[in-house]
Amino acid sequence: ETGVTQSPTHLIKTRGQQVTLRCSSQSGHNTVSWYQQALGQGPQFIFQYYREEENGRGNFPPRFSGLQFPNYSSELNVNALELDDSALYLCASSWDRSNTEAFFGQGTRLTVV
Amino acid sequence: AQSVAQPEDQVNVAEGNPLTVKCTYSVSGNPYLFWYVQYPNRGLQFLLKYITGDNLVKGSYGFEAEFNKSQTSFHLKKPSALVSDSALYFCAVRASSGGSYIPTFGRGTSLIVHP
Repeated sequence: ETGVTQSPTHLIKTRGQQVTLRCSSQSGHNTVSWYQQALGQGPQFIFQYYREEENGRGNFPPRFSGLQFPNYSSELNVNALELDDSALYLCASSWDRSNTEAFFGQGTRLTVV
Repeated sequence: AQSVAQPEDQVNVAEGNPLTVKCTYSVSGNPYLFWYVQYPNRGLQFLLKYITGDNLVKGSYGFEAEFNKSQTSFHLKKPSALVSDSALYFCAVRASSGGSYIPTFGRGTSLIVHP
């Protein structure tokens, strides 16, 4: 086990709704990254937080936002859900800012209908 | 822009035979390279990484990968495949400097090991 847990494991939402996904990292891991993995694709980087500040962002619109908390937990928020947002969402944590070895959670499967 | 190519969607190998999963990359400057494995309905598990140093990197579960700078490749290998190695394998790259820690993943290669 990686020590990274995500909740919920599965979620069904309606187009236009908002969703919050949660991640709990290993103690001492100051970096958390979020990824979107569409069916049959590799993970795509959404953004990364280091010590509660965003320090990298991929090609995702502003309706994808996040928070990182001092207790090594974090959130991914997605507003105005679209059908194409259906995917597996992965969080990964690392002890170092440069994220040279990331530990992934099991993911949250989001289905937008 | 950085990119990763995994040219094979699927690799089939008999148990006990050597396996190779191919990966080529493109990045500005020196690369950091990674291999991850994903089992069904699970997150990614780290296998190995190349940061610097010896071109042959040894990782978890008997896997190894060879960094070839001239061919911009980082192929994953194992001398003797197990049925339990059957899974989805992802190669990833990011630049080693420049302040951007954004990794790019390939599309994945499905490894099927036949008994």
